[in-house]
Amino acid sequence: DTEVTQTPKHLVMGMTNKKSLKCEQHMGHRAMYWYKQKAKKPPELMFVYSYEKLSINESVPSRFSPECPNSSLLNLHLHALQPEDSALYLCASSQVSTVNQPQHFGDGTRLSIL
Amino acid sequence: QQQVKQSPQSLIVQKGGISIINCAYENTAFDYFPWYQQFPGKGPALLIAIRPDVSEKKEGRFTISFNKSAKQFSLHIMDSQPGDSATYFCAASNVNFGNEKLTFGTGTRLTIIP
Repeated sequence: DTEVTQTPKHLVMGMTNKKSLKCEQHMGHRAMYWYKQKAKKPPELMFVYSYEKLSINESVPSRFSPECPNSSLLNLHLHALQPEDSALYLCASSQVSTVNQPQHFGDGTRLSIL
Repeated sequence: QQQVKQSPQSLIVQKGGISIINCAYENTAFDYFPWYQQFPGKGPALLIAIRPDVSEKKEGRFTISFNKSAKQFSLHIMDSQPGDSATYFCAASNVNFGNEKLTFGTGTRLTIIP
């Protein structure tokens, strides 16, 4: 079992729907990440939150809107997505330190856009 | 552009054999090199990681070899087992106080045959 919990595990939505993905961790990590992973490809970084503030946005389209309401929770709000947005969305967390710390991943949300 | 090149793309090894996956990087600022293991339907799980001040790190059947001058690192899986069949990603990053960006290799699909 992973220590980063993502819900829902699967999501099917139409292009006009609004939905949210949720990520939760209780390891006291103060850095949280959203990644997108297409089949047979490595994860691609989308957003980084450090101390609940957005620190990195990898030029992600505005139809993806991240939110970090507290140090344990990370949300990804979805609106007007396109079929090419179908992918596995992964959340990760890590400690913040003067040396690199490992990122711990959840099992992801499998998103399908109809 | 920061890149991590990974080979081979796929690998078939007999049970009990040694599996070897290689990665090469370009950015000399990288100072953290993790390996992730991913099973179908699951998120990447940290397997083992190394920092450039050591040339080798071993954890159980898994060993990372690191060659700083050649900017290469590799994963060796000794006594490979069918349960090791998964996709393996190497990665690299440099410390940025919670804003670490993992640069992933393209992945290796490992199959262990009886």
